Amino acid sequence: GDSVTQMEGPVTLSEEAFLTINCTYTATGYPSLFWYVQYPGEGLQLLLKATKADDKGSNKGFEATYRKETTSFHLEKGSVQVSDSAVYFCALSGLYGGATNKLIFGTGTLLAVQP
Amino acid sequence: DAGITQSPRYKITETGRQVTLMCHQTWSHSYMFWYRQDLGHGLRLIYYSAAADITDKGEVPDGYVVSRSKTENFPLTLESATRSQTSVYFCASGDYENSYNEQFFGPGTRLTVL
Repeated sequence: GDSVTQMEGPVTLSEEAFLTINCTYTATGYPSLFWYVQYPGEGLQLLLKATKADDKGSNKGFEATYRKETTSFHLEKGSVQVSDSAVYFCALSGLYGGATNKLIFGTGTLLAVQP
Repeated sequence: DAGITQSPRYKITETGRQVTLMCHQTWSHSYMFWYRQDLGHGLRLIYYSAAADITDKGEVPDGYVVSRSKTENFPLTLESATRSQTSVYFCASGDYENSYNEQFFGPGTRLTVL
């Protein structure tokens, strides 16, 4: 079945460092891909998305490119801030039991940014 | 207030008791979802609903019951709570037609079963 694999955390960085969180997927068909962010004590929020191959999603300085050839959707940011500390989830919309409007999540990656 | 709300935010109960978690959304989204979040598992889908009176099982439905008599409400009931159901529960909603499966999440309910 469809699945998402993302790198284990925690990822600990100093402020202004470059961030990469790896995400690869397995899916039939052509899923949409998402990055969600969860700040401490809150629900998940959509960070960015890409709906077809070679699309680049971007928001708040974060970027991710939908790479069909490598089945990847890695999250990057050039200069992280303390306020970026959160758990990041990669997800895809997949075919699951016949319905298309469902998300399959990775296990999440905790990012801790130190001043 | 517009958005998606969950209640209660925190709940402690005992093994064997029935517990109902509430979810309410004001967007009139057709789809609603219940997830549980556990360390090492990410989010796992419990049940979902495509419209009022239409519900279906997700990945981990055992021990849970849902109903959806109105579009805006999607309660989740644990009929006889077990310790393994200690978790953080998130409700989400989405509208397939215009959002490429984007989902909007509530703030979560932290449930502890003693």
